Amino acid sequence: QKEVEQNSGPLSVPEGAIASLNCTYSDRGSQSFFWYRQYSGKSPELIMFIYSNGDKEDGRFTAQLNKASQYVSLLIRDSQPSDSATYLCAAKSNTGNQFYFGTGTSLTVIP
Amino acid sequence: DAGVIQSPRHEVTEMGQEVTLRCKPISGHDYLFWYRQTMMRGLELLIYFNNNVPIDDSGMPEDRFSAKMPNASFSTLKIQPSEPRDSAVYFCASSLGIGGANEKLFFGSGTQLSVL
Repeated sequence: QKEVEQNSGPLSVPEGAIASLNCTYSDRGSQSFFWYRQYSGKSPELIMFIYSNGDKEDGRFTAQLNKASQYVSLLIRDSQPSDSATYLCAAKSNTGNQFYFGTGTSLTVIP
Repeated sequence: DAGVIQSPRHEVTEMGQEVTLRCKPISGHDYLFWYRQTMMRGLELLIYFNNNVPIDDSGMPEDRFSAKMPNASFSTLKIQPSEPRDSAVYFCASSLGIGGANEKLFFGSGTQLSVL
């Protein structure tokens, strides 16, 4: 399968800080990228998707894409304890509708 | 819509037994995916269907695994015979189609499989 790499963490940030989550992908042909959040014992849910180079903002979340470096990141501003979860990066294959996931980064926001 | 529905939520079986996992996708979704999640390997794509037709099964571990989608509202993932290394959480997900928000995956609650 195509590789999507994430630091497993755990990443700890204090409440109100910015959390930065990073992801690299191996398939240079990938065009679509997704961030999912997964609470312990629950199923993943979509936070954001991004297709174009640059930044995409949605509330406290900003996704950043750099296709030349094959790098995707997610910034969470004003982190809240409720943001504590595992964040999964996914890339869509260029040859079909497959979505390949990284192993996830565990984030803990400390009150 | 009730979302993607999977059953059972938990399955405990003995090595060598047949296991069948079931999934009902969201009505109107054209794509259905089966994923397996473990701590070591994360979420692995096993197979996906488009309009009930299997498109890519290259992620299926071996011949012990098989998946079917007899109609738009039902899919099964079968493991026969099961082995302890098959223990994982199996997720079914569906999506509307291609492009933009259509590609959002809606996941079921998962089936926690334990093979003793």
